[in-house]
Amino acid sequence: DTEVTQTPKHLVMGMTNKKSLKCEQHMGHRAMYWYKQKAKKPPELMFVYSYEKLSINESVPSRFSPECPNSSLLNLHLHALQPEDSALYLCASSQSPVETQYFGPGTRLLVL
Amino acid sequence: AQSVTQLDSQVPVFEEAPVELRCNYSSSVSVYLFWYVQYPNQGLQLLLKYLSGSTLVKGINGFEAEFNKSQTSFYLRKPSVHISDTAEYFCAVIRMDSSYKLIFGSGTRLLVRP
Repeated sequence: DTEVTQTPKHLVMGMTNKKSLKCEQHMGHRAMYWYKQKAKKPPELMFVYSYEKLSINESVPSRFSPECPNSSLLNLHLHALQPEDSALYLCASSQSPVETQYFGPGTRLLVL
Repeated sequence: AQSVTQLDSQVPVFEEAPVELRCNYSSSVSVYLFWYVQYPNQGLQLLLKYLSGSTLVKGINGFEAEFNKSQTSFYLRKPSVHISDTAEYFCAVIRMDSSYKLIFGSGTRLLVRP
C-alpha cells in the first residue's frame, strides 16, 4: 500500500480566513513533504519533515505554517493568504529523505 | 548546480505508436532518478525509478526507462501508447549528498491522438 491521503480535495478561502490542509500516511514513512504546484509547472518544495522535525523550509512565507503532530500526520495551516497562493498543494511521504516519494492526490486551493 | 532538463514541453503521438520522452540531468554527485506521471486534476504517480543496478528499468503501465550515465540521460519509453496515457510526465532526481531534495524537470505533456 502506497497511499497518501489529503483533505480536503478542494478549498476556497478568503484572504482573511484561517484554514488547514491535512495529509495522512500509514506506510510507516518517517519523512513527509509539502509541495506547491501552479498550473503547467512542476511541484515546488515547501517543507520537509524528517522524523517529525522540520528539516527544510524553502523560504516559504510565514502565512504558511506546517505542523507534524505525529509520524503519520502532516498539516499545513493557512492564514492571510494572497490570491497568488492559489495552487494545487501536494503532500508526499517517503521512508527516509533519500527514498522514493509517494504523493497524495492534492488539495486544490483557491484564494479569493 | 543541479538541474533536470526535459527539452520537449509537449509530445503529440498517435495511438499505438511508440514514444520516447527525454530527460537529461546535471550533477557532480550520484543521483537517483524517477519518472512520475500526473493525470489531469490528480496528484503524481510513480512510474518507475532507477537507484542502482541494471540500467534498464521497467515500470507500471508498460513504461520502461534507460539510464545512461555517460550521457547523463534517463529516457522514458513505451512501445505502444494508449489514449489513456495522455498526461504530464515529470522526470526527477535526488542527489546523493546532503540536500536530498527531489528536483523536478519542467514536465512533458504527452498527447495521444486517436
